[in-house]
Formats: sequence, structure tokens, C-alpha cells
Amino acid sequence: GAVVSQHPSWVICKSGTSVKIECRSLDFQATTMFWYRQFPKQSLMLMATSNEGSKATYEQGVEKDKFLINHASLTLSTLTVTSAHPEDSSFYICSALGQASQPQHFGDGTRLSIL
Amino acid sequence: LAKTTQPISMDSYEGQEVNITCSHNNIATNDYITWYQQFPSQGPRFIIQGYKTKVTNEVASLFIPADRKSSTLSLPRVSLSDTAVYYCLVGDGQTGFQKLVFGTGTRLLVSP
Repeated sequence: GAVVSQHPSWVICKSGTSVKIECRSLDFQATTMFWYRQFPKQSLMLMATSNEGSKATYEQGVEKDKFLINHASLTLSTLTVTSAHPEDSSFYICSALGQASQPQHFGDGTRLSIL
Repeated sequence: LAKTTQPISMDSYEGQEVNITCSHNNIATNDYITWYQQFPSQGPRFIIQGYKTKVTNEVASLFIPADRKSSTLSLPRVSLSDTAVYYCLVGDGQTGFQKLVFGTGTRLLVSP
């Protein structure tokens, strides 16, 4: 089945630093990738939609300058949390979409902890 | 976007069949119904997808009535490892399920 790899799986860093999270589709080309955030005991919340070769579309309330998304190839999208603060601590999950009419496939998430 | 409603939680015992029903009254003509499973600290995993009637795969069955306003995920003979959160989503199959909106999901607890 389709595999989406997310790296790193867990990161701890100091407040004020920037953190980059990678999302790769390993066995299919993903024209669209999505980034979600999930707080403990809550559901996934869509942050942005990333299309290869174009600017990401952010959901209302998500700061585009805070969460930089790059989708430079059909197999890789990155999310950079800039100047991270403790309130940015969360579980970040990406998903990738290949062919139309196929379901999204999710990565295993990145646990981000800002001290 | 069609909104889905499902029970917050369900309890079951090993070996039993579990049926989780999802309501999606405003489902559109092009919408497919997709179910995902999520374990703690992992991303959601695709279980099954359907448009109408019944779909079955190696892990589950999906029953969809003619009016498509609801669907039921059936897990045969659950085990402890089926304890997870199950999400029901609807999305436009022709555009590849863009912009999925996750509801609260159903937290299934399977006990010995």
C-alpha cells in the first residue's frame, strides 16, 4: 500500500528556534500534500494544503509566516515552524494525495516539544 | 463540506463484532465515505472507502444505505489491538478528497 514517511518522529528544542519537518511519499507521486496539527485528546485540524510547485493554501487562523510550507517536488513537502514557542508544541501530521479518487495517506506524525 | 456525526466512544470485548455508525445527512452526490483508524501518537491509517451499498476488505466492512445519509463500519471479532479512534469522513471523490474535515471520531475500547 501507499507509504508516507515523516521525519523526524520526535523533536525537542528551545524556544525561539526553527524546526523543519519533512513529509515524503515513498511509492507514489503526490501532487497535493496536507499538514495537520493535533493536540492531546483532540481531532486533527487541517493547517494548510500544499500543491507541488505552487504556494500553499492556509486555513483560517494559521499564520503563513509562522508555518512555512514548501512542496518542491512530487514526493516531498516540508513544514518549518519558525521561532517556535511552547504553545507550538503539538503533534504534526502530514498526508499525501496521489491519484484523484484515491484516499489520502498519512505519515506517522512528528511530536514537537518546545521548551 | 459534509459534516459527520458519530458516537464519541464505544466499549466492546474481544471476539465481538463492533458496528460504528456515522451520520452524514448533507452528503453530496460526488462524495465518497472513508474511514480511518488512529492509534495514539500515530497518523491515521486508511481502513475502507465506499460510495454505496456494501464494501468489504480484509479488515472491515462498510454498509451504506440507499439514501447514503449514514454509514456503518463493521469490525468482525475485534481484538485488544483494535482499541483506537475511528474517524468517518466524506469527501469529493472526483477531486481526490481534498480538504478532509475530521470530526471528533469514535474512541473504541476493547477489553479482555
